[in-house]
Amino acid sequence: NAGVTQTPKFQVLKTGQSMTLQCAQDMNHEYMSWYRQDPGMGLRLIHYSVGAGITDQGEVPNGYNVSRSTTEDFPLRLLSAAPSQTSVYFCASSAREGNQPQHFGDGTRLSIL
Amino acid sequence: QKEVEQDPGPLSVPEGAIVSLNCTYSNSAFQYFMWYRQYSRKGPELLMYTYSSGNKEDGRFTAQVDKSSKYISLFIRDSQPSDSATYLCAMNDYKLSFGAGTTVTVRA
Repeated sequence: NAGVTQTPKFQVLKTGQSMTLQCAQDMNHEYMSWYRQDPGMGLRLIHYSVGAGITDQGEVPNGYNVSRSTTEDFPLRLLSAAPSQTSVYFCASSAREGNQPQHFGDGTRLSIL
Repeated sequence: QKEVEQDPGPLSVPEGAIVSLNCTYSNSAFQYFMWYRQYSRKGPELLMYTYSSGNKEDGRFTAQVDKSSKYISLFIRDSQPSDSATYLCAMNDYKLSFGAGTTVTVRA
């Protein structure tokens, strides 16, 4: 009963490096999303996808790319890491967007030096 | 102004006390209201999910929604140390918007 799995759990990067945060779900959910969580800011939506091949921007998309080639996987790419991207990143999925509650992974803690 | 405002806390209560958590919102289009619980170093997990104005109970937890006042609440009765966590309100029209979260500590 894996649900939403995120890897890695922790990562330290240097400014300018790139990396991909992985997210996989085994619930056959159509809707997947990425959030970042910062102290006092709550969860902010970065990008989301309503199905394979379809992605769209959320509230804070700059500096991040996503793709959705399969229903199960929704990787988040940092193109050129900046200290402002130090955060905890959560991936979530739901049966469809809108009124369905989302299931979250346990997060990736990312530090940019 | 944020769409969803949540009392920041933190709250510290003795075991057995009633915990009261609140959020206000500005978007009249919000239709579905949720409370998530987040333990340290874990992802948010759904605690309560409501649609209409009124009360919904689930064990020691009661969620209240007042759409006319744009105000939602979560009450935890007979609080336990295991209830110590951050509680996030969330609501949506076509996407989910979160409050900043309130950290609750229940002292044994």
